[in-house]
Amino acid sequence: DTGVSQNPRHKITKRGQNVTFRCDPISEHNRLYWYRQTLGQGPEFLTYFQNEAQLEKSRLLSDRFSAERPKGSFSTLEIQRTEQGDSAMYLCASSPSGLAGVWDYIEQFFGPGTRLTVL
Amino acid sequence: DQQVKQNSPSLSVQEGRISILNCDYTNSMFDYFLWYKKYPAEGPTFLISISSIKDKNEDGRFTVFLNKSAKHLSLHIVPSQPGDSAVYFCAAIRDTGNQFYFGTGTSLTVIP
Repeated sequence: DTGVSQNPRHKITKRGQNVTFRCDPISEHNRLYWYRQTLGQGPEFLTYFQNEAQLEKSRLLSDRFSAERPKGSFSTLEIQRTEQGDSAMYLCASSPSGLAGVWDYIEQFFGPGTRLTVL
Repeated sequence: DQQVKQNSPSLSVQEGRISILNCDYTNSMFDYFLWYKKYPAEGPTFLISISSIKDKNEDGRFTVFLNKSAKHLSLHIVPSQPGDSAVYFCAAIRDTGNQFYFGTGTSLTVIP
């Protein structure tokens, strides 16, 4: 399977605990995105990486959230001191570099997501 | 600040008929628009896209129409099939940006 994978698929934690999610993008994809999706909403952009560089962050990404992509391959999203409002589906997506123009990266490939429940 | 909106949370259509899903946006600077389909327990999958310089793009049973003056796009599925039952999201992006803006989704049910 050469698609985007995310682990774990489900995470239940108590308020105040730290959690970390992992995303493995399609191997040749340079761009990696994190989204959050809550019930009845569409995916909301959190952050974007081009290789290992984090180039854009949403205002939604509070200082309790941190994302890394240390070698330009897999990425992790950590949430510190979780709150009940952090309960959501966290989606990862990847796309090619865009060197050939916007049509090169406009199609994103999404993973199945990690569902976080904060009790 | 919801820049992309889908005002119909759900839609039911008979198999073989046309499904029309609608999407409105507020930012006239968007350059590209996309539709994604999402099945339960899966991530969204890309369906079709359109550039803001076009007013129509067709791919098999799927056609996207763009009305820039009205800041409105629609996805037509003809004929609709039961396997099309899913949640459909529209999304938009600027040519100079990296952030995709998604609508809230429309749940389509195609009745056999």
